[in-house]
Amino acid sequence: SQKIEQNSEALNIQEGKTATLTCNYTNYSPAYLQWYRQDPGRGPVFLLLIRENEKEKRKERLKVTFDTTLKQSLFHITASQPADSATYLCALRSSSASKIIFGSGTRLSIRP
Amino acid sequence: EAQVTQNPRYLITVTGKKLTVTCSQNMNHEYMSWYRQDPGLGLRQIYYSMNVEVTDKGDVPEGYKVSRKEKRNFPLILESPSPNQTSLYFCASSLLDRGLEQYFGPGTRLTVT
Repeated sequence: SQKIEQNSEALNIQEGKTATLTCNYTNYSPAYLQWYRQDPGRGPVFLLLIRENEKEKRKERLKVTFDTTLKQSLFHITASQPADSATYLCALRSSSASKIIFGSGTRLSIRP
Repeated sequence: EAQVTQNPRYLITVTGKKLTVTCSQNMNHEYMSWYRQDPGLGLRQIYYSMNVEVTDKGDVPEGYKVSRKEKRNFPLILESPSPNQTSLYFCASSLLDRGLEQYFGPGTRLTVT
């Protein structure tokens, strides 16, 4: 069955360092991979989308990579700040269907 | 302001009492979807709709119904709620041509006793 794994349930790093979150998938051929941020008690907020034919996407301090051979996406936050503390979710969508599947998320904590 | 609204935000009900959670978006999005979020299981898609009168099952549709009679509204119906439907529910919407980057509502916390 299709499966997405976000390898770390929680990640704790020091302010100023680069946070790297991992999203792995199996039995799936996604056309799009998305990353969302979710704060406690609130709905997810879209951050970045990367297509299957793209290797890397950047937006300000955020960078996403997509390796369809490894079936993996990496999400980086450079110069991390305590305000970046949140749960980050990856989501996949195939080109043939409009169903979307989410990973269970990684809770990121940035300590001052 | 572009937004997705859900009502109610909190609901406590009893087993078997039919309920409807409303979802509305003001962005003229074609795609709308319902998710439930449970600890350790992440977001799971219940139903989605590509446009008016077009709906399809997600990964966990059992026990739920939806309808899409107007583009802006996508209500979630629980005909006979059970305790295992206690969860946090999110509605989301998206344009079809943007890779389905979704805008989420604030969530509805449902407790079925």
